[in-house]
Amino acid sequence: SSELTQDPAVSVALGQTVRITCQGDSLRSYYGSWYQQKPGQAPVLVIFGKNNRPSGIPDRFSGSTSGNTASLTITGAQAEDEADYYCNSRDSSDNHVRVIFGGGTKLSVL
Amino acid sequence: QVQLQESGPGLVKPSQTLSLTCIVSGGAISSGAYYWSWIRQDPGRGLEWIGYINWVGRTYYNTSLKSRVTISVDTSKNQFSLKLSSVSVADTAVYYCARASYGDPYYIDFWGHGTLVTVSS
Repeated sequence: SSELTQDPAVSVALGQTVRITCQGDSLRSYYGSWYQQKPGQAPVLVIFGKNNRPSGIPDRFSGSTSGNTASLTITGAQAEDEADYYCNSRDSSDNHVRVIFGGGTKLSVL
Repeated sequence: QVQLQESGPGLVKPSQTLSLTCIVSGGAISSGAYYWSWIRQDPGRGLEWIGYINWVGRTYYNTSLKSRVTISVDTSKNQFSLKLSSVSVADTAVYYCARASYGDPYYIDFWGHGTLVTVSS
């Protein structure tokens, strides 16, 4: 399968920890990356590779992968973390190189 | 800091060709090591990869769009372009140009602001 599956919506209490997951066969072969998107804005890369954060991304964001599941964890969620989160990876099933995105998870910070 | 800026018509008629250009600043496309990408997003919905091109013009396209898509690069102008032919209302979306990593891990580290293209008569 060349799909990435995410829960449509997740909520977290302010200051608590939340994990957003992404499942797909491509994640057995390729690392996933994670993007945060706020309304009216372009996505922003927050995690890539094994567990790498671009410059400027707070260290409360972390990533991990196990089997076919990639996870984005926010430890101590802040109000400004409320956004849509998308996972992404390469895929080479059917001998075609492609890039795939998950459907996105809407994170609400309560 | 690399910056990307999309430009092109915001309104395209059905059956016509959508044409967008992405101007890159803060880094040369010809420096290599990246894929220059087009990604779109239906209003209120998820992201869809259209395709990408490297600095020597090698392209990879989404198989569902491949018959209608052409991505090209002009290193002398430090820009790359998207053409999507025979558009329909289903092609209405925000179109982003972006820079993606060449090797593994794969990631998209810089995005344009996006441009809304509406397909309507």
